[in-house]
Amino acid sequence: EVVMTQSPATLSVSPGERATLSCRASQGVTNNLAWYQQKPGQAPRLLIFGTYSGAFTRATGVPDRFSGSGSGTEFTLTISGLQSEDFAVYFCQQYNNWPRTFGGGTKVEIK
Amino acid sequence: EVQLVESGGGLVQPGGSLRLSCAASGFTFTTYSLNWVRQSPGKGLEWLSYISSRGSPIYYADSVKGRFTISRDNVESSLYLQMDDLRAEDTAVYYCVRSSGRMEYWGQGTLVTVSS
Repeated sequence: EVVMTQSPATLSVSPGERATLSCRASQGVTNNLAWYQQKPGQAPRLLIFGTYSGAFTRATGVPDRFSGSGSGTEFTLTISGLQSEDFAVYFCQQYNNWPRTFGGGTKVEIK
Repeated sequence: EVQLVESGGGLVQPGGSLRLSCAASGFTFTTYSLNWVRQSPGKGLEWLSYISSRGSPIYYADSVKGRFTISRDNVESSLYLQMDDLRAEDTAVYYCVRSSGRMEYWGQGTLVTVSS
């Protein structure tokens, strides 16, 4: 199984600053990688996913301050200019192999 | 609007069974694959099972293989998860998820608690 490792576990950021979240796969997953946001008491929400072209695209309604990059085993989610509604837990997930696997999550908290 | 509404959760004793349902609406049910994903209290996400748009192929996580059975009714636009031989570690919120590779749409989840 592909093990997904996210770092850091917790990221303290001030509103307006940039947050950079990392996700590493134990083996290559091309760019079949997605990022999700989860707020307390809510279901996860798809933010960004890899496409056939090799790029990452935002899901419908996701602000352009969210961006994704990477390929193979190393991936990054960047949130530029954090807003109050962005403080949440973020998960990465690979959909290149079975079983589908998620990272353990990064909590983005207010500094 | 895509909607996925889970039901069937509750309290069950270890060794017991439960059947979860997911009612789908707002999209052409027959053209999408579906999954069950769970989240234990305060923990991360665990993918459990996948069923393609036509009902095959089906995949399971090792943790539930042989105990859980996924199925769908394309006439009723519903997804199911039959859970047998439940254990304490199966306690979690169970989500119904529509996928196209990535997990596109999630239901709000139903809580399953396995305890004596």
